[in-house]
Amino acid sequence: RKEVEQDPGPFNVPEGATVAFNCTYSNSASQSFFWYRQDCRKEPKLLMSVYSSGNEDGRFTAQLNRASQYISLLIRDSKLSDSATYLCVVWSGGYNKLIFGAGTRLAVHP
Amino acid sequence: DARVTQTPRHKVTEMGQEVTMRCQPILGHNTVFWYRQTMMQGLELLAYFRNRAPLDDSGMPKDRFSAEMPDATLATLKIQPSEPRDSAVYFCASGLVGGGGNSPLHFGNGTRLTVT
Repeated sequence: RKEVEQDPGPFNVPEGATVAFNCTYSNSASQSFFWYRQDCRKEPKLLMSVYSSGNEDGRFTAQLNRASQYISLLIRDSKLSDSATYLCVVWSGGYNKLIFGAGTRLAVHP
Repeated sequence: DARVTQTPRHKVTEMGQEVTMRCQPILGHNTVFWYRQTMMQGLELLAYFRNRAPLDDSGMPKDRFSAEMPDATLATLKIQPSEPRDSAVYFCASGLVGGGGNSPLHFGNGTRLTVT
């Protein structure tokens, strides 16, 4: 079993739709969590950190469920520019391991 | 705006040649990662340094790859000899761990390597 797992997608949604991605992690001692966004042929860029209490940044909401060991990303009112691959990232092992999920591809169409 | 700088951006070389990729982490960051990305494999961790010391290089083929941090402003990844299967994008990323806070990673633009 991979340490960080994501649904690879692709998720094909119309503009304005709400879409949610989940990511599960296997190490219960994992400490920090992030969502990154990667556009085709570009470097991954930080989208948002994920806090225990959940956090929101505009149309994006991230949540952490430690009991079930998953994090989620909700995108409301999808834009064409949201089309990208979304990577779930987990720090674990006493901050000695930073693990990327394989990514979930999102395609927003008109 | 602080950035991680990687050179070269593109490299085309013939099989058997040595390849050296360089990375300048963000000033003040104490961790440096090297990742490789292909269409098939996604992001693979090759090496991880903290305070210039290698913490994890288990993902790196030791027979041909080597990673070093000669000083805090420079990380290098070398492949000798290079093979066609090494063709990929190599990303360097830096961050800050410890001291009561941990920053997320910031990535460089990557080096796109093609070995013919």
